[in-house]
Parts: sequence; structure tokens; C-alpha cells
Amino acid sequence: DAGVIQSPRHEVTEMGQEVTLRCKPISGHNSLFWYRQTMMRGLELLIYFNNNVPIDDSGMPEDRFSAKMPNASFSTLKIQPSEPRDSAVYFCASTPDSTSYNEQFFGPGTRLTVL
Amino acid sequence: GDSVTQMEGPVTLSEEAFLTINCTYTATGYPSLFWYVQYPGEGLQLLLKATKADDKGSNKGFEATYRKETTSFHLEKGSVQVSDSAVYFCALSSMDSSYKLIFGSGTRLLVRP
Repeated sequence: DAGVIQSPRHEVTEMGQEVTLRCKPISGHNSLFWYRQTMMRGLELLIYFNNNVPIDDSGMPEDRFSAKMPNASFSTLKIQPSEPRDSAVYFCASTPDSTSYNEQFFGPGTRLTVL
Repeated sequence: GDSVTQMEGPVTLSEEAFLTINCTYTATGYPSLFWYVQYPGEGLQLLLKATKADDKGSNKGFEATYRKETTSFHLEKGSVQVSDSAVYFCALSSMDSSYKLIFGSGTRLLVRP
């Protein structure tokens, strides 16, 4: 079975550029989460969706960040414009149902470097 | 709000040594507790979990017991291997936190041959 798929695995961009990170959750999972991991702040939940609807975006750092889930098999996290402090590893995770104590399945992450 | 505290790392051990990584939690409800592991260059993966008090989760030689009286979920392994070198995250999920995973800060384990 394919796990959570993220692309690209690595992204290097210059300050001010738009960055789009992509995620394909596990088929049949109804909930999707975006996390950011840095040495300084650890693992932070940015936003999560249930049945393609954003439920909690309180972790999104600022208006430069936006996330969409147009269908059950695809989500994007966009940063526009990007800044050096956005450099981090971004993880996507999915779970069958966020309304219970279900395991979250993580993708391999996208390592973003903003110069 | 709910929170998880785990011991600072890094923890450095020799192969076959006994491992304990401490984890305590604060929660208003009755959370489920998890240990996730992150190997270098990979995402997190579930190692074990426990859903109610006195439950013991176990996997790959690792164990953790849900202690409600001490609000703890310490991770243990009797004999670590070099391949266990990774970052370990304790986490909780509860109805009060809308079933979101609340993670600790992670503990890096380095096992030397």
C-alpha cells in the first residue's frame, strides 16, 4: 500500500518566491494534517482538514501561508512570499477519521530552504 | 490546555544497554497516549500506543505503560541496538483537544556499537 506521498522532497528557493508543497493522503483517509518541524520550535501543527474542509488553521503562522484541499486525494500548502525563516521540514499526515483516537500516518516530508 | 513533557536529549547509550525515556502529560480528560519514532530523513511513524489507564503498549521490544496516577507514559527497552538511533516523540490525543495529536519536544537517542 502506498503511504502518504509528498512532493517535492527538497525545495530550495529564494526569498520572495512562491512555494507550493503537495500531499497525497492515503486512500480512504478522511483527515489530513500539515506540520512544520524546526530545531527551534519542534513539531508544529499548521492546519488540518476533515472531509476536505479546513477545521483548525490556528497554527498557520501568518497570511503568507495558505492551504487547500480541493479533493480527498490532494492537498497543497502554499507560501507566498517565502522568507528565510520559513526554512523547515514540512510534513503531511493523514488518518482515517480525526474524530477518534486514530494513528496518524506521516509522509516523508519536504525539506524547504529559503535563501 | 493539554501538554506533553519529555526528557531532554540527546540520550547516548552503548548497544545492549537499557533505555528509559521519560514522558509526562497534562490533560483534563482521558487521553490516549502514543510514542512515535522518527528515523533520520524520514517522517514520524507510530511505535506504540495505549488508550486507557494501566494499558501497556509494546512493539519491537519497546514498552510503555499508561500510568494515570503519575500521569506518565515512559518508554523502555531492555537492550537497545544501533538501529534504534532516532528521535522519539511522546504524544497524546483527547476529546478535549479535538483528537489532535499534542507532541512533546522529542528525545534524540544515539546508540553506539
